[in-house]
Amino acid sequence: DIVMTQSPDSLAVSLGERATINCKSSQTVLYTSNNKNHLGWYQQKPGQPPKLLISWASTRESAVPDRFSGSGSGTDFTLTISSLQAEDVAVYYCQQYFSTPGTFGQGTKVEIK
Amino acid sequence: EVQLVQSGAELKKPGESLTISCKVSGYSFTNYWVAWVRQVPRKGLEWMGIVYPRDSETRYSASFEGQVTISADKSITTAYLQWSSLKASDTAMYFCARVSSGTYYLLDFWGQGTLVTVSS
Repeated sequence: DIVMTQSPDSLAVSLGERATINCKSSQTVLYTSNNKNHLGWYQQKPGQPPKLLISWASTRESAVPDRFSGSGSGTDFTLTISSLQAEDVAVYYCQQYFSTPGTFGQGTKVEIK
Repeated sequence: EVQLVQSGAELKKPGESLTISCKVSGYSFTNYWVAWVRQVPRKGLEWMGIVYPRDSETRYSASFEGQVTISADKSITTAYLQWSSLKASDTAMYFCARVSSGTYYLLDFWGQGTLVTVSS
């Protein structure tokens, strides 16, 4: 199985400041036939199911605010929240969908400082 | 509007059987795979397996193969997750989710979750 490792496990950021979450895969998730990274990011708020924020490493889903952005390729990826809002307090997960099973990172908890 | 509505919380004893359900609406049920994901309390997410409702083809994570059965009934647009003999370690929140078109594992719409508690 591809192992997904996120860092940090948690971070506290002041309102309006930038939050950066890293995700590393144990092998590449770049599919050479379509040159796409099979990497997604999810947000899970307390008591709710996860919500897909970003697919293909950098494509925001519809209605996701543009303060959320994804970057990276191959094995190293980043989710950035450019200006943290109170409603962004959540746990964030990366997931590879390159191979079975579609493994998730362990999650990064984002809080307000 | 895409909706996946799961059955309610369950409290069961070890060794009992259980089936939980996921009723889908708002899209063509037979055109998308449906996945099940486990989340142990305050822990991460584990992809369990998927079912293609059009022909009931299934694929499982090796960790869950033989431990659970995933199925679907296209006549009532409902997917199922079934255990024949529960263990305490099956205690978790279980989510169903629609698999995004063109992938097998990216999950674009989720159910609200079903909490399964197994305790003697």
